[in-house]
Amino acid sequence: GENVEQHPSTLSVQEGDSAVIKCTYSDSASNYFPWYKQELGKRPQLIIDIRSNVGEKKDQRIAVTLNKTAKHFSLHITETQPEDSAVYFCAANGGDRGSTLGRLYFGRGTQLTVWP
Amino acid sequence: DAGVIQSPRHEVTEMGQEVTLRCKPISGHDYLFWYRQTMMRGLELLIYFNNNVPIDDSGMPEDRFSAKMPNASFSTLKIQPSEPRDSAVYFCASSLPRPFEVPADEQFFGPGTRLTVL
Repeated sequence: GENVEQHPSTLSVQEGDSAVIKCTYSDSASNYFPWYKQELGKRPQLIIDIRSNVGEKKDQRIAVTLNKTAKHFSLHITETQPEDSAVYFCAANGGDRGSTLGRLYFGRGTQLTVWP
Repeated sequence: DAGVIQSPRHEVTEMGQEVTLRCKPISGHDYLFWYRQTMMRGLELLIYFNNNVPIDDSGMPEDRFSAKMPNASFSTLKIQPSEPRDSAVYFCASSLPRPFEVPADEQFFGPGTRLTVL
């Protein structure tokens, strides 16, 4: 099945700096790549996603890039703020068919800390 | 919609006791997922259902864990007997089937059940 690896596991930045989290995946059939943010004691919530027919997607201060050839995708947060501090998870789906249809494969998460 | 509903939110029990976690998915969602989250192992998929049928239960740790989905609006995850190593946050999530144009793979998580086994 799909294997998603995520780096770094922890990331500390100064407020106003940029943060980048990177993920790789193994299954070329994967075509949906969401990013979830989980604040302390809360549930994971989708913040942005990208499908394989698009190379980049942006939503205000966050952006995601996808390189299908290299099988990696990244989350970029610009002008970071203390409220961006959370655990971020990347994920990849199991493609459009077969026994993995519908499921997501999650990375291990990145603890982002933004210092004021 | 109220989103995915889980109960109880917190559960403290003693080793050997039976624990039942409950989940109500978002109405109209055909996929339901049970995850376990710990610091050591991250977010693990335990089992998931499509149209109330279990699709993949390979993540269920052992025979002490069982899950059911008797209808489209309710699922349970049962641990019997419980052990201290089962202490974790258990999330239920649901998602829409395709071909709806909402990003069909997006999963909506419930608030989680924090389980502590003493």
